[in-house]
Amino acid sequence: TQLLEQSPQFLSIQEGENLTVYCNSSSVFSSLQWYRQEPGEGPVLLVTVVTGGEVKKLKRLTFQFGDARKDSSLHITAAQPGDTGLYLCAGGLTSGSRLTFGEGTQLTVNP
Amino acid sequence: GAGVSQSPSNKVTEKGKDVELRCDPISGHTALYWYRQSLGQGLEFLIYFQGNSAPDKSGLPSDRFSAERTGGSVSTLTIQRTQQEDSAVYLCASSRWGGRDNEQFFGPGTRLTVL
Repeated sequence: TQLLEQSPQFLSIQEGENLTVYCNSSSVFSSLQWYRQEPGEGPVLLVTVVTGGEVKKLKRLTFQFGDARKDSSLHITAAQPGDTGLYLCAGGLTSGSRLTFGEGTQLTVNP
Repeated sequence: GAGVSQSPSNKVTEKGKDVELRCDPISGHTALYWYRQSLGQGLEFLIYFQGNSAPDKSGLPSDRFSAERTGGSVSTLTIQRTQQEDSAVYLCASSRWGGRDNEQFFGPGTRLTVL
C-alpha cells in the first residue's frame, strides 16, 4: 500500500493549458514537499509546506497543503514545454524524519 | 560548492560482482539518505544516517545491501553479488537536522546496470 498516492500518473497537455496534480494520504504529515526531476538528474526541491491550509506560489505554480495536512495539490497555470518533467510529492511524518515519496506524475507539455 | 555529489555517474557490472557507490553530502548537513529509483518511478527509501545515531536501515531490500558513513560526511553504498533486479538509479540526498521542513537536497544519482 502506497502511503502517498499521486494522481494522475501520466499527463500530456498542450502548451497554455492548466493542470493540477494531487497527492493524497490517510496519514498526517509534519511537512510536505514537491520536487521536479528531469531525465538524468536528481529531484530538485520546488516548495515545502508545513501548515494546514497553506498556499504557496512559485511563478505559475501554486501549491496547497490540505487543512488536515493529509493531502496537497500542485496547480500549474498556462503550462509551458519547460515544465515537462517528473513531479514528486514527499511527506515527512515527524520533524526530521525520512521522507516518503509518491510514485510521481510524469508531465509532458507539447508545444 | 556545492551540492550533493555522487560517483560514479554510471556503472555497468556483471551479475554476481560487488559494486560501491559514493555520496558526498552538502557540507554541514548532518542527515544523509539513500534512495533507489526505477525508470520513471518514485523513490524507494533504502537507508538514512543522522549524526552519530544508529542508521535507519529499514528500507534495505536484502542483506546484500549495506552502507556506511565515515566521519559523518561521505557515505558508501555497497551492493554485494549484484542481481539484474538491482539495476536502477541510486540517489543520495542530504539535509540539515532539525526543523519541520525535512528539506532534502539530491545528488544527480548513479545509474547502475547489472548485465
